[in-house]
Amino acid sequence: DGGITQSPKYLFRKEGQNVTLSCEQNLNHDAMYWYRQDPGQGLRLIYYSQIVNDFQKGDIAEGYSVSREKKESFPLTVTSAQKNPTAFYLCASSGQNLYGYTFGSGTRLTVV
Amino acid sequence: QKEVEQDPGPLSVPEGAIVSLNCTYSNSAFQYFMWYRQYSRKGPELLMYTYSSGNKEDGRFTAQVDKSSKYISLFIRDSQPSDSATYLCAMSGRGGYQKVTFGIGTKLQVIP
Repeated sequence: DGGITQSPKYLFRKEGQNVTLSCEQNLNHDAMYWYRQDPGQGLRLIYYSQIVNDFQKGDIAEGYSVSREKKESFPLTVTSAQKNPTAFYLCASSGQNLYGYTFGSGTRLTVV
Repeated sequence: QKEVEQDPGPLSVPEGAIVSLNCTYSNSAFQYFMWYRQYSRKGPELLMYTYSSGNKEDGRFTAQVDKSSKYISLFIRDSQPSDSATYLCAMSGRGGYQKVTFGIGTKLQVIP
């Protein structure tokens, strides 16, 4: 079955550490996105990529980094520069001229 | 002012009730209108989409778009406890890789 796989489902990080969230899709979608979801704030776009080896900052990119070396993969690194990293992170993808996004099941990151 | 406004609720209804969920928007360029359902600790899943104005029905769900008023609705008939979730409205322009703008989501609880 085609879809988006995010791993891990839960992640704990110590303050000062970088951590990488995985996102893989087998939908043959060109575009991929990372969102952060916090209670009362809705979905906020972190980074997006429309093509391999190219990506753009979203609304809240500070403290995050991404790479897009393969069409299927779009990992997100939460760096120690991110002041409030505890959140639910969602990866999504879309195809050209298709409406809407397909989302993964999310990764809940907690800083301890 | 946000591009998309949605009441976060929570909205509690008895089983069997008709539920009305709504969003308003300000961007006239929006052409595609979507509703996502998100269960707790899961990624959003696309429930319905509508292109431009009009109604669309799928089982117990009806999506309505009024572009003249910049107002969209989702109706759920004969609501079930399994409908308890957060419902996000979303909208985008037409063609290519259009950015999707999301509402904050309305939390719905259907009480048995």
